[in-house]
Amino acid sequence: SQQGEEDPQALSIQEGENATMNCSYKTSINNLQWYRQNSGRGLVHLILIRSNEREKHSGRLRVTLDTSKKSSSLLITASRAADTASYFCATDGGYQKVTFGTGTKLQVIP
Amino acid sequence: NAGVMQNPRHLVRRRGQEARLRCSPMKGHSHVYWYRQLPEEGLKFMVYLQKENIIDESGMPKERFSAEFPKEGPSILRIQQVVRGDSAAYFCASSNGQGVTNEKLFFGSGTQLSVL
Repeated sequence: SQQGEEDPQALSIQEGENATMNCSYKTSINNLQWYRQNSGRGLVHLILIRSNEREKHSGRLRVTLDTSKKSSSLLITASRAADTASYFCATDGGYQKVTFGTGTKLQVIP
Repeated sequence: NAGVMQNPRHLVRRRGQEARLRCSPMKGHSHVYWYRQLPEEGLKFMVYLQKENIIDESGMPKERFSAEFPKEGPSILRIQQVVRGDSAAYFCASSNGQGVTNEKLFFGSGTQLSVL
């Protein structure tokens, strides 16, 4: 079964707005990662947060991690049309096997 | 370009034939993952390999599917006697295996398998 589950499944926003996606997972982890996938392409790594970190920033991305709730959120600020893609969280389940959630499909309307 | 290379990009097979998917990891990477993706769905873990070893194959069907990552050459995902339900995009990813706290994956562009 999938380790992670993203919420919402789909999100549509206007350009310039912020987009927030959530991820819940089941087992303990060493790290949690977020990836982006454009239609029909491979995934691209966005950001990694370790289990002892609570928040991390990278450009317009902000990731939070709450290990007590087994959840993470990805915030994209000042969204652009080019941010339109599917976003997946990935966890290592405590060892090096990396499993992915079900994804959030983001549409940014120009 | 030292990225993850998958070939072929598209593969068409008739039911009962064999499908062989290749993945060359990034230079210096010794860990390879294979994932399967159906349209509008997430990536389903299939198998995790290190050079010459299968570490975790819990996501791979016991029958018809096999994977290898030899000392020399690409990783191969082999599907024997394909059925229509095998039609999907198969993605390979590699990592440098420098530890669980830094297990960033680099993905190939995938192989789209279509079974007629």
